[in-house]
Amino acid sequence: SQQGEEDPQALSIQEGENATMNCSYKTSINNLQWYRQNSGRGLVHLILIRSNEREKHSGRLRVTLDTSKKSSSLLITASRAADTASYFCATDAGSNYQLIWGAGTKLIIKP
Amino acid sequence: DSGVTQTPKHLITATGQRVTLRCSPRSGDLSVYWYQQSLDQGLQFLIQYYNGEERAKGNILERFSAQQFPDLHSELNLSSLELGDSALYFCASSVPRQGPNTGELFFGEGSRLTVL
Repeated sequence: SQQGEEDPQALSIQEGENATMNCSYKTSINNLQWYRQNSGRGLVHLILIRSNEREKHSGRLRVTLDTSKKSSSLLITASRAADTASYFCATDAGSNYQLIWGAGTKLIIKP
Repeated sequence: DSGVTQTPKHLITATGQRVTLRCSPRSGDLSVYWYQQSLDQGLQFLIQYYNGEERAKGNILERFSAQQFPDLHSELNLSSLELGDSALYFCASSVPRQGPNTGELFFGEGSRLTVL
């Protein structure tokens, strides 16, 4: 069953603008992770946020976690063409030693 | 470079055939995960091994099997291939952890399988 649901499914913005993607999940979690996938390539880990954390930063990335709403958001500031990719959230619900993945948000940055 | 190596990168075969995909995890990582990603789709978890033992099983077909060897490399065997098996197959590894919590996964570049 799918735990994470990303929203929107696709997002197209101008270079330099901020991009926000959301992820909702259904059960309590240990942590939530965000990954980036360039077309046809392997996934790259971006940020892991634990259930007792509310916000985390890494460079131009900001992730928030609201466990009461069972949701997370990924903000990419000052977007660049190289940010064009699909972004996936994955939750660790502590069951079965596996992450549960969303279907991803496809982000296109227009020059 | 994630440190996870997958071979082959591309594979074209016919229906009914059998193929083996290989994965070498990052040095020191004991867990290996296999995922399937069909065109423009999300990730489908297949199976996980930890230090040679099967730890978790996802939506893996009976025609598919995997194993992890003593040197920690893993192989995914796909048999009686069908057109719908065409996909990207990813291997990922993670650092050893106590308990069921799953941390960061490191992905290989994938093996693209095309079944004609």
